[in-house]
Amino acid sequence: DAGITQSPRHKVTETGTPVTLRCHQTENHRYMYWYRQDPGHGLRLIHYSYGVKDTDKGEVSDGYSVSRSKTEDFLLTLESATSSQTSVYFCAISESVSQYFGPGTRLTVT
Amino acid sequence: QQQVKQSPQSLIVQKGGISIINCAYENTAFDYFPWYQQFPGKGPALLIAIRPDVSEKKEGRFTISFNKSAKQFSLHIMDSQPGDSATYFCAASHGGTSGSRLTFGEGTQLTVNP
Repeated sequence: DAGITQSPRHKVTETGTPVTLRCHQTENHRYMYWYRQDPGHGLRLIHYSYGVKDTDKGEVSDGYSVSRSKTEDFLLTLESATSSQTSVYFCAISESVSQYFGPGTRLTVT
Repeated sequence: QQQVKQSPQSLIVQKGGISIINCAYENTAFDYFPWYQQFPGKGPALLIAIRPDVSEKKEGRFTISFNKSAKQFSLHIMDSQPGDSATYFCAASHGGTSGSRLTFGEGTQLTVNP
Protein backbone atom coordinates (compact mmCIF):
# COMPACT_ATOMS: atom_id res chain seq x y z
CA ASP A 1 0.00 0.00 0.00
CA ALA A 2 2.81 2.39 -0.98
CA GLY A 3 3.78 3.41 2.57
CA ILE A 4 0.31 4.54 3.55
CA THR A 5 -1.46 3.62 6.76
CA GLN A 6 -4.95 4.51 7.84
CA SER A 7 -6.37 4.45 11.35
CA PRO A 8 -8.59 3.17 12.65
CA ARG A 9 -9.26 0.38 10.17
CA HIS A 10 -12.76 -0.18 11.49
CA LYS A 11 -15.01 2.06 13.53
CA VAL A 12 -18.61 2.01 14.68
CA THR A 13 -20.01 5.26 15.98
CA GLU A 14 -23.35 6.81 16.81
CA THR A 15 -25.22 9.46 14.88
CA GLY A 16 -24.25 12.96 15.94
CA THR A 17 -20.80 12.15 17.27
CA PRO A 18 -17.61 13.63 15.75
CA VAL A 19 -15.20 11.20 14.14
CA THR A 20 -11.63 11.69 12.95
CA LEU A 21 -9.86 9.38 10.53
CA ARG A 22 -6.12 9.53 10.08
CA CYS A 23 -3.96 8.95 7.03
CA HIS A 24 -0.21 8.66 7.49
CA GLN A 25 2.36 8.36 4.69
CA THR A 26 6.07 7.64 4.72
CA GLU A 27 6.67 8.55 1.05
CA ASN A 28 6.97 12.32 1.52
CA HIS A 29 4.46 12.85 -1.30
CA ARG A 30 3.08 16.35 -1.71
CA TYR A 31 -0.53 15.51 -2.58
CA MET A 32 -2.98 13.64 -0.36
CA TYR A 33 -6.64 12.78 -0.94
CA TRP A 34 -9.65 11.43 0.90
CA TYR A 35 -12.21 9.36 -1.01
CA ARG A 36 -15.30 7.47 0.02
CA GLN A 37 -16.38 4.24 -1.67
CA ASP A 38 -20.01 3.21 -1.89
CA PRO A 39 -21.64 0.48 -4.01
CA GLY A 40 -22.65 1.80 -7.41
CA HIS A 41 -20.66 5.03 -7.02
CA GLY A 42 -17.06 3.98 -7.40
CA LEU A 43 -14.78 6.29 -5.45
CA ARG A 44 -15.72 9.91 -4.88
CA LEU A 45 -13.33 12.64 -3.80
CA ILE A 46 -14.14 14.29 -0.47
CA HIS A 47 -11.18 16.65 0.05
CA TYR A 48 -7.61 16.86 -1.06
CA SER A 49 -4.40 18.59 -0.03
CA TYR A 50 -1.66 20.04 -2.19
CA GLY A 51 0.68 20.86 0.67
CA VAL A 52 0.88 21.53 4.39
CA LYS A 53 -2.11 23.64 5.40
CA ASP A 54 -3.31 23.77 1.77
CA THR A 55 -6.56 21.91 1.18
CA ASP A 56 -9.54 22.08 -1.15
CA LYS A 57 -12.97 20.53 -1.52
CA GLY A 58 -13.89 17.58 -3.70
CA GLU A 59 -17.26 16.59 -5.09
CA VAL A 60 -18.79 15.26 -1.82
CA SER A 61 -17.32 17.55 0.85
CA ASP A 62 -20.48 18.48 2.78
CA GLY A 63 -20.27 17.28 6.40
CA TYR A 64 -16.51 16.72 6.24
CA SER A 65 -13.48 18.80 7.12
CA VAL A 66 -9.77 18.09 6.78
CA SER A 67 -6.49 19.26 8.18
CA ARG A 68 -2.87 18.79 7.22
CA SER A 69 -0.36 20.17 9.70
CA LYS A 70 2.51 17.91 8.57
CA THR A 71 3.47 16.49 5.20
CA GLU A 72 2.93 12.94 6.41
CA ASP A 73 -0.51 13.28 8.05
CA PHE A 74 -3.90 14.09 6.56
CA LEU A 75 -6.91 14.02 8.90
CA LEU A 76 -10.55 13.68 7.88
CA THR A 77 -13.18 14.80 10.39
CA LEU A 78 -16.88 14.09 10.29
CA GLU A 79 -18.18 16.96 12.35
CA SER A 80 -21.46 15.25 13.31
CA ALA A 81 -21.70 11.76 11.86
CA THR A 82 -24.86 10.74 10.00
CA SER A 83 -25.99 7.35 8.72
CA SER A 84 -25.36 8.53 5.14
CA GLN A 85 -21.66 8.73 6.01
CA THR A 86 -21.49 4.98 6.58
CA SER A 87 -18.90 4.04 3.98
CA VAL A 88 -15.38 2.85 3.33
CA TYR A 89 -12.91 5.72 3.36
CA PHE A 90 -9.67 5.63 1.40
CA CYS A 91 -6.70 7.91 1.58
CA ALA A 92 -4.47 8.33 -1.47
CA ILE A 93 -1.15 10.01 -2.10
CA SER A 94 0.64 11.24 -5.18
CA GLU A 95 3.76 13.10 -6.21
CA SER A 96 3.08 12.93 -9.94
CA VAL A 97 -0.15 12.18 -11.75
CA SER A 98 -0.41 8.61 -10.39
CA GLN A 99 -2.30 8.13 -7.14
CA TYR A 100 -1.66 5.33 -4.64
CA PHE A 101 -4.24 4.20 -2.13
CA GLY A 102 -4.15 3.14 1.49
CA PRO A 103 -5.92 0.08 2.93
CA GLY A 104 -9.12 1.91 3.89
CA THR A 105 -11.24 2.56 6.97
CA ARG A 106 -14.67 0.98 7.27
CA LEU A 107 -16.93 3.38 9.16
CA THR A 108 -20.40 2.46 10.35
CA VAL A 109 -22.68 5.15 11.76
CA THR A 110 -25.60 3.71 13.76
CA GLN B 1 -23.12 14.20 -12.68
CA GLN B 2 -21.26 10.99 -13.50
CA GLN B 3 -18.56 12.01 -15.95
CA VAL B 4 -17.14 8.50 -16.41
CA LYS B 5 -19.52 5.67 -17.22
CA GLN B 6 -18.26 2.09 -16.81
CA SER B 7 -19.73 -1.16 -18.10
CA PRO B 8 -20.54 -3.91 -17.47
CA GLN B 9 -21.31 -3.81 -13.76
CA SER B 10 -20.29 -7.46 -13.44
CA LEU B 11 -18.52 -9.90 -15.72
CA ILE B 12 -17.96 -13.65 -15.58
CA VAL B 13 -15.23 -15.16 -17.75
CA GLN B 14 -13.77 -18.62 -18.05
CA LYS B 15 -10.10 -19.21 -17.30
CA GLY B 16 -8.03 -18.44 -20.37
CA GLY B 17 -10.65 -16.14 -21.86
CA ILE B 18 -10.50 -12.41 -22.59
CA SER B 19 -12.09 -9.97 -20.15
CA ILE B 20 -13.18 -6.63 -21.59
CA ILE B 21 -14.34 -3.65 -19.52
CA ASN B 22 -15.44 -0.42 -21.14
CA CYS B 23 -15.53 3.19 -20.03
CA ALA B 24 -16.91 6.33 -21.66
CA TYR B 25 -16.20 9.88 -20.62
CA GLU B 26 -17.78 13.26 -21.30
CA ASN B 27 -15.14 15.83 -20.43
CA THR B 28 -12.86 16.35 -23.43
CA ALA B 29 -10.33 18.01 -21.14
CA PHE B 30 -9.52 14.63 -19.54
CA ASP B 31 -5.96 13.66 -20.46
CA TYR B 32 -4.97 10.84 -18.11
CA PHE B 33 -6.84 7.54 -17.89
CA PRO B 34 -5.77 4.97 -15.27
CA TRP B 35 -7.26 1.61 -14.37
CA TYR B 36 -7.29 0.32 -10.80
CA GLN B 37 -7.67 -3.23 -9.49
CA GLN B 38 -9.20 -3.82 -6.07
CA PHE B 39 -9.37 -7.05 -4.09
CA PRO B 40 -11.89 -7.44 -1.23
CA GLY B 41 -10.79 -5.63 1.90
CA LYS B 42 -7.92 -3.86 0.12
CA GLY B 43 -7.36 -0.44 -1.35
CA PRO B 44 -7.41 0.10 -5.13
CA ALA B 45 -4.06 -0.60 -6.79
CA LEU B 46 -2.90 1.20 -9.93
CA LEU B 47 -2.83 -1.34 -12.75
CA ILE B 48 -2.10 0.54 -15.98
CA ALA B 49 -2.68 4.04 -17.36
CA ILE B 50 -2.77 5.78 -20.73
CA ARG B 51 -2.55 9.27 -22.18
CA PRO B 52 -4.73 10.29 -25.16
CA ASP B 53 -1.75 10.67 -27.50
CA VAL B 54 -1.57 6.88 -27.94
CA SER B 55 -4.32 4.45 -28.96
CA GLU B 56 -3.08 1.42 -27.08
CA LYS B 57 -0.84 0.50 -24.17
CA LYS B 58 0.09 -3.02 -23.15
CA GLU B 59 1.61 -4.29 -19.92
CA GLY B 60 1.81 -8.06 -19.71
CA ARG B 61 -1.69 -9.50 -20.06
CA PHE B 62 -3.33 -6.09 -19.56
CA THR B 63 -4.04 -3.73 -22.48
CA ILE B 64 -5.76 -0.35 -22.59
CA SER B 65 -7.38 0.62 -25.88
CA PHE B 66 -8.21 4.30 -26.29
CA ASN B 67 -10.56 5.92 -28.82
CA LYS B 68 -10.32 9.69 -28.51
CA SER B 69 -12.98 10.50 -31.11
CA ALA B 70 -15.52 8.24 -29.42
CA LYS B 71 -14.42 9.33 -25.94
CA GLN B 72 -14.09 5.72 -24.90
CA PHE B 73 -11.39 3.52 -23.44
CA SER B 74 -11.33 -0.10 -22.45
CA LEU B 75 -9.32 -2.62 -20.46
CA HIS B 76 -8.58 -6.01 -22.00
CA ILE B 77 -7.29 -8.84 -19.82
CA MET B 78 -5.86 -11.59 -21.97
CA ASP B 79 -5.64 -15.22 -20.77
CA SER B 80 -7.76 -14.33 -17.72
CA GLN B 81 -6.88 -16.22 -14.53
CA PRO B 82 -8.84 -16.88 -11.32
CA GLY B 83 -6.37 -14.60 -9.54
CA ASP B 84 -7.64 -11.73 -11.72
CA SER B 85 -11.02 -11.95 -9.97
CA ALA B 86 -11.41 -8.49 -8.47
CA THR B 87 -13.22 -5.21 -8.94
CA TYR B 88 -11.81 -2.95 -11.65
CA PHE B 89 -12.25 0.81 -11.81
CA CYS B 90 -11.52 3.15 -14.66
CA ALA B 91 -10.78 6.78 -13.91
CA ALA B 92 -9.91 10.03 -15.64
CA SER B 93 -8.33 13.33 -14.77
CA HIS B 94 -7.42 16.55 -16.54
CA GLY B 95 -4.65 19.01 -16.23
CA GLY B 96 -2.01 16.36 -16.82
CA THR B 97 -0.04 17.56 -13.89
CA SER B 98 0.76 16.45 -10.40
CA GLY B 99 -2.14 16.54 -8.01
CA SER B 100 -4.83 16.15 -10.66
CA ARG B 101 -8.17 15.00 -9.28
CA LEU B 102 -9.49 11.65 -10.48
CA THR B 103 -13.09 10.94 -11.50
CA PHE B 104 -13.90 7.24 -11.18
CA GLY B 105 -16.29 4.91 -12.96
CA GLU B 106 -18.72 2.82 -10.95
CA GLY B 107 -16.60 -0.33 -11.04
CA THR B 108 -16.82 -3.79 -12.63
CA GLN B 109 -16.76 -6.96 -10.57
CA LEU B 110 -14.83 -9.57 -12.55
CA THR B 111 -15.11 -13.27 -11.75
CA VAL B 112 -12.83 -15.71 -13.59
CA ASN B 113 -14.03 -19.27 -13.25
CA PRO B 114 -11.42 -22.06 -13.16
